[in-house]
Amino acid sequence: GEDVEQSLFLSVREGDSSVINCTYTDSSSTYLYWYKQEPGAGLQLLTYIFSNMDMKQDQRLTVLLNKKDKHLSLRIADTQTGDSAIYFCADVSNTGKLIFGQGTTLQVKP
Amino acid sequence: EPEVTQTPSHQVTQMGQEVILRCVPISNHLYFYWYRQILGQKVEFLVSFYNNEISEKSEIFDDQFSVERPDGSNFTLKIRSTKLEDSAMYFCASSVSRAEYFGPGTRLTVT
Repeated sequence: GEDVEQSLFLSVREGDSSVINCTYTDSSSTYLYWYKQEPGAGLQLLTYIFSNMDMKQDQRLTVLLNKKDKHLSLRIADTQTGDSAIYFCADVSNTGKLIFGQGTTLQVKP
Repeated sequence: EPEVTQTPSHQVTQMGQEVILRCVPISNHLYFYWYRQILGQKVEFLVSFYNNEISEKSEIFDDQFSVERPDGSNFTLKIRSTKLEDSAMYFCASSVSRAEYFGPGTRLTVT
């Protein structure tokens, strides 16, 4: 079945760039998403990319999509302590449900 | 900015009891979803709802679960007879087209 995988943990220093990686299995994906979850909070939609795009930039966030390798990444430029959270990659099935990765915990050290 | 709201934020119940988790989706949205996240595990799809009926449900969504949109604004998830393994965060989401917007979740603890 469809699956999404992420590394579990990333630690960076404040001001550095963070790159969170994700792989997926569904070759018919139309959209791929990044959500952010802060402690005790819900899932906040950060950004999404259409599968016919290679890159999408939105302020400090850059999403790269390699459809051939089924690899998605989220780059956060100038990472701040407020970026510390769990980041979820998600694929949408052809029926509309989201399939999530296990989440990457981003730790930003001052 | 409109947002999805959920109540209660935390519900503690005894095994075998019925619980109703409530959600108010964003007002012009047409598609509604429930997901859950067991502690330490992935966020899992439970059910999607469109045009007043279930459009898809997962294997988890068995006869103990039901959803309803009773009044055109609320969207509820009922668990008829809770089990210990139903303890999880339950997230409601809604969408109008491409992106699903999530509520803050209800933490359900079954003792």
